[in-house]
Amino acid sequence: DVKVTQSSRYLVKRTGEKVFLECVQDMDHENMFWYRQDPGLGLRLIYFSYDVKMKEKGDIPEGYSVSREKKERFSLILESASTNQTSMYLCASSLYLREGRYEQYFGPGTRLTVT
Amino acid sequence: RKEVEQDPGPFNVPEGATVAFNCTYSNSASQSFFWYRQDCRKEPKLLMSVYSSGNEDGRFTAQLNRASQYISLLIRDSKLSDSATYLCVVTPSGSARQLTFGSGTQLTVLP
Repeated sequence: DVKVTQSSRYLVKRTGEKVFLECVQDMDHENMFWYRQDPGLGLRLIYFSYDVKMKEKGDIPEGYSVSREKKERFSLILESASTNQTSMYLCASSLYLREGRYEQYFGPGTRLTVT
Repeated sequence: RKEVEQDPGPFNVPEGATVAFNCTYSNSASQSFFWYRQDCRKEPKLLMSVYSSGNEDGRFTAQLNRASQYISLLIRDSKLSDSATYLCVVTPSGSARQLTFGSGTQLTVLP
């Protein structure tokens, strides 16, 4: 079974704090992703990575950065947390299925509240 | 216009009913299509891929209409355990590894 784990289920931080969200997958997947999920907006891609030390911006990268120093670990960093970054953060890694299709496996999510 | 649009619902149906969800996508060059399921306070999980010829998995049938740019999911003989949010997912052209998610359709199956 593919397992994607995230460092915290719930996190409360203050405005201006630097926040680290960690994600680890145990299936040697090359591709990893960070999303945020908000009511009515669905999942929105923040950053993704195809390989170690490689990163690409998603649809909403502003206010975030990422780090991928090891294949199994993909970190999301909020340099200076703001209240509009209160959200559910979901990490995923993907497995090639067939015919050009990839299945994404998600971690359990981190519900971040910025006060 | 959103890239992937779904009716948010909620759909409340009795057990045993047949229910259908539709989803439209804006990019005609989209490559692959999926339905994911997300239970309350849980992460999304792949329900099924959607193929051009249509495909069935037990009580679930998925259809793709490329000309009209919509995808459908049909659930027959609904069970209480089918209650969840169903996410329509599209792979944009040029990158099979990325996914674009709809905001989901909420289904509640009532006893």
